[in-house]
Amino acid sequence: AQKVTQAQTEISVVEKEDVTLDCVYETRDTTYYLFWYKQPPSGELVFLIRRNSFDEQNEISGRYSWNFQKSTSSFNFTITASQVVDSAVYFCALSEAAEGAQKLVFGQGTRLTINP
Amino acid sequence: NAGVTQTPKFQVLKTGQSMTLQCAQDMNHEYMSWYRQDPGMGLRLIHYSVGAGITDQGEVPNGYNVSRSTTEDFPLRLLSAAPSQTSVYFCASSPGTGWFQPQHFGDGTRLSIL
Repeated sequence: AQKVTQAQTEISVVEKEDVTLDCVYETRDTTYYLFWYKQPPSGELVFLIRRNSFDEQNEISGRYSWNFQKSTSSFNFTITASQVVDSAVYFCALSEAAEGAQKLVFGQGTRLTINP
Repeated sequence: NAGVTQTPKFQVLKTGQSMTLQCAQDMNHEYMSWYRQDPGMGLRLIHYSVGAGITDQGEVPNGYNVSRSTTEDFPLRLLSAAPSQTSVYFCASSPGTGWFQPQHFGDGTRLSIL
């Protein structure tokens, strides 16, 4: 069965530090997508990125980068030079081809606090 | 540019009461889903729909009903509210063009059952 684990419940860093959020997943499907969502204090869920199981290239978007490694079943998220506005709960999620996008499996979330 | 609209934003119920959480999207998305968010458990799928007239159960469907009479609307009904249903509920939609499309979420409904 599919499962997503975010072992870090809470992380607190000082502004400008780099921080990595870990995500480990389990799936029997060979075709799947991984997602990261951000939930700021206001409560909405904001889509950040998706990565399919056949594309292991790392992705960089400004201060954000993602490292996908099938060998370790991990899809980690790094924020470089963190800012107070990055404070949020971050969720990693998995969607399998066999199940469809409407059946996202979420990790428990990591609460990230950036202190000024 | 409304996206996914959920009403109400907050609700307090007494045990045994029933109510309907409303969800509407204006993006002509075929897929719609309901999730609940509980502390330390992430989001869990309650029910989902792949199109008008078609619904199916997710991971935690007990105590909830859904229907999908139109593409735009996907209401979630609590039949007899229980304290265990205290949670934040999110409705989501995504295009039917592919299972890999990211879901668009509403702002959530915070529900408390006394």
